[in-house]
Amino acid sequence: AQKITQTQPGMFVQEKEAVTLDCTYDTSDPSYGLFWYKQPSSGEMIFLIYQGSYDQQNATEGRYSLNFQKARKSANLVISASQLGDSAMYFCAMREAGRRALTFGSGTRLQVQP
Amino acid sequence: GAVVSQHPSRVICKSGTSVKIECRSLDFQATTMFWYRQFPKQSLMLMATSNEGSKATYEQGVEKDKFLINHASLTLSTLTVTSAHPEDSSFYICSALGGSADTQYFGPGTRLTVL
Repeated sequence: AQKITQTQPGMFVQEKEAVTLDCTYDTSDPSYGLFWYKQPSSGEMIFLIYQGSYDQQNATEGRYSLNFQKARKSANLVISASQLGDSAMYFCAMREAGRRALTFGSGTRLQVQP
Repeated sequence: GAVVSQHPSRVICKSGTSVKIECRSLDFQATTMFWYRQFPKQSLMLMATSNEGSKATYEQGVEKDKFLINHASLTLSTLTVTSAHPEDSSFYICSALGGSADTQYFGPGTRLTVL
C-alpha cells in the first residue's frame, strides 16, 4: 500500500487566491512527522512546513499552513494568496518512528495563473 | 542556515565510466545523509542512507557495488556511480539531517546523463 498519496497530479490556481494540495498517509506508528517540500523547475527541494503527529495545533509558516486531520490521516497543504513564483511541484513526505529517511508522495504540479 | 551543496550540478559521461557526486553540509554537521534518485516527472526514491564513519544502508533493489557511498566526515558524503550505463541517467539528490525536528535539507541535485 502507498504510504503517501497525493491524488492531484496537477492543479491550477489564480494569482492571489488560496489553494489546497491534498495528502493522505498510511502508518501504524503513533509517532511520525509530515513534511511538505516545493520543487521548482531548477530541481532543488525546498522545505516548506512540518507537522508532528503529537502536535496539537496545525503548523503554519507564513503563507503556508498544514491542515492536519489525524483521524482521517490527511495533511493537506494550504497556500494562501498564491503568487506566480509558487508554480512548482509540491511533495508531501512522511518520516516514521525509527526510520530517519523520508517517504515521498508522487507530487502535485501547481500552476499559478495571472 | 542549513545549506547543502552538491557538485557537480550536471555531468555527462560515456557508458562504462565512473562518476563521483559530492554532497556537503556547509554550515552544520550531519552524521546522517541520504541519497535519492528522481526520474523525470516522478517522485524521489530513497537509494541509501549514509552514516558518518560506517557503512551505508542501501534500500532494497539498489546495487551497493554499483552505487558506492562514502561518508568520511561530518560534512561530506560522496556517491560514486561505477561503470555507468544509460539507464543510470537520472537526477540524484542528497539530503542531510539537521536543525529541529530532524528536518532534511536537500542539495540542489545532480543531473547525470550517460551516453
